[in-house]
Amino acid sequence: EDKVVQSPLSLVVHEGDTVTLNCSYEVTNFRSLLWYKQEKKAPTFLFMLTSSGIEKKSGRLSSILDKKELFSILNITATQTGDSAIYLCAVELNDMRFGAGTRLTVKP
Amino acid sequence: EPEVTQTPSHQVTQMGQEVILRCVPISNHLYFYWYRQILGQKVEFLVSFYNNEISEKSEIFDDQFSVERPDGSNFTLKIRSTKLEDSAMYFCASSQDRNSGNTIYFGEGSWLTVV
Repeated sequence: EDKVVQSPLSLVVHEGDTVTLNCSYEVTNFRSLLWYKQEKKAPTFLFMLTSSGIEKKSGRLSSILDKKELFSILNITATQTGDSAIYLCAVELNDMRFGAGTRLTVKP
Repeated sequence: EPEVTQTPSHQVTQMGQEVILRCVPISNHLYFYWYRQILGQKVEFLVSFYNNEISEKSEIFDDQFSVERPDGSNFTLKIRSTKLEDSAMYFCASSQDRNSGNTIYFGEGSWLTVV
């Protein structure tokens, strides 16, 4: 059975902290791994990763994929209260499987 | 920026009623998807649609569900006889194609409450 597991499920930090969110997967027919940010409603796209070891960056966010160990991490540096959200990891197979998400709360 | 739009944003329906959720995918996209998220739970894949037919569907997508592209712009999800457990946020999504590197864009969701 295809599985996508995120950890931690919940995380509370203070502004300025750096966080690392984890996503591990056991799937067949892997095509890509995606990270989304979900605030109130729809997930919004952050990164798509297809190759191992190549870091993708967008401002204070970065992500990397390890296809040998079957995991990805999402780093957020210098966190701000606006980073508070649920961060979803999804693995694209023939369809797309989501993890349960990590709920990040950034306190002022 | 182009976006996926969904209507209604919120619908309350009685158990046993039929519901149609509507989506307008991004205009040059060819792949369309429905996902659902029960409150407090993970986003779950329902179905993908390409070239006017279902390409993949999950075990959740049983005979109560159907999808249709009735014209060149709309993509609908029909639930024939709603059950209480169908209460969820339903997300439509679209992508240009299935190649790696093509992002799947989500709509804002339709919140369905079955009473």
